[in-house]
Amino acid sequence: NAGVTQTPKFQVLKTGQSMTLQCAQDMNHNSMYWYRQDPGMGLRLIYYSASEGTTDKGEVPNGYNVSRLNKREFSLRLESAAPSQTSVYFCASSGRGNTEAFFGQGTRLTVV
Amino acid sequence: QKEVEQDPGPLSVPEGAIVSLNCTYSNSAFQYFMWYRQYSRKGPELLMYTYSSGNKEDGRFTAQVDKSSKYISLFIRDSQPSDSATYLCAMSSISGYSTLTFGKGTMLLVSP
Repeated sequence: NAGVTQTPKFQVLKTGQSMTLQCAQDMNHNSMYWYRQDPGMGLRLIYYSASEGTTDKGEVPNGYNVSRLNKREFSLRLESAAPSQTSVYFCASSGRGNTEAFFGQGTRLTVV
Repeated sequence: QKEVEQDPGPLSVPEGAIVSLNCTYSNSAFQYFMWYRQYSRKGPELLMYTYSSGNKEDGRFTAQVDKSSKYISLFIRDSQPSDSATYLCAMSSISGYSTLTFGKGTMLLVSP
């Protein structure tokens, strides 16, 4: 019962480098989300995918891109990392007719 | 005014105390209300889920929603040191597909 799995768990990048955060869920959920969590700011939605084949911007999409690869997988890409993107990133999923979201364990990203 | 307000704490209580955690919100369209628990360096985990107004009980936890006052509460009876975590409220307006609006979380510390 893995639920939502994120890789990697930790990452250090230099400014300007790119990377992709991976997320997979095994609950057959339609919707998937990427959040970032910063001290004092709470959870902020970056991008979401209501269903396979669709993606939409959330509250803080600048500097990020996403791909809904299939129903299970939703990746987040940083094309040119900036120190302001230092954060903990969480992937989540939720099922049809169901508003509860289930979260992965997070990726701690530091951009130096 | 933020859509969801939550006191960040920390809230410190002795073991066995009754804990009350609260959120206020401004969007009258919210109908689905959730509480998440987040341990340090972990992802949020869904604790309670309620629809519209009323109470819901699950073991030592009771979630209460008062839509007329735009106020939700989570009560923890007989609090334990293992309850020490950050508690986030979340809410949404549409079933089926929706994004959640989170409070910033309240840190709870239960001392033995």
